[in-house]
Amino acid sequence: DTEVTQTPKHLVMGMTNKKSLKCEQHMGHRAMYWYKQKAKKPPELMFVYSYEKLSINESVPSRFSPECPNSSLLNLHLHALQPEDSALYLCASSQVPAATYEQYFGPGTRLTVT
Amino acid sequence: QQPVQSPQAVILREGEDAVINCSSSKALYSVHWYRQKHGEAPVFLMILLKGGEQKGHDKISASFNEKKQQSSLYLTASQLSYSGTYFCGTEQGGSEKLVFGKGTKLTVNP
Repeated sequence: DTEVTQTPKHLVMGMTNKKSLKCEQHMGHRAMYWYKQKAKKPPELMFVYSYEKLSINESVPSRFSPECPNSSLLNLHLHALQPEDSALYLCASSQVPAATYEQYFGPGTRLTVT
Repeated sequence: QQPVQSPQAVILREGEDAVINCSSSKALYSVHWYRQKHGEAPVFLMILLKGGEQKGHDKISASFNEKKQQSSLYLTASQLSYSGTYFCGTEQGGSEKLVFGKGTKLTVNP
């Protein structure tokens, strides 16, 4: 099973709301990633978790808060977002945290901030 | 540093070949290739590593010129299913961070 699942598929939230995105994989992968993708643009790395610890934060605003409760699960907590944060949020995983291993992407959560 | 992909877009008829290029101004440790169809997740195609190792699909071929810091993806006898946006992702320092190029949109027509 090479599947990464993400919920919800779509999310509309106001600027004062708090919501969370969820990502799950059961491949035994020890690296998990959050990417942000705007329309017709490439994915941009936000966070990397290596063995359940945050290893990379690409200077992401604090209104985005990642969490890795266990090796299979990755959350992205959202609070006080701005309209420009509207995008497709992709989760990915790889066997180990190294760029010599392929990344498996989930289908994404399409977020709209109103 | 973001790699540069070329061309930005290409239109083919079924059965034709295409080459997509990816170059960097910095030394590369690995190059990844992914394809993303509209409204879907990126799908892994191939990894090329410094030293010559490759991992990927049998029907996809690619090259990695370490000296020139370039990689090329070769799509031969294209099929309708090859349509999508192709991204190269490069890694420069032996870390887990990939930086993706802007993408090449490939359209295969009947």
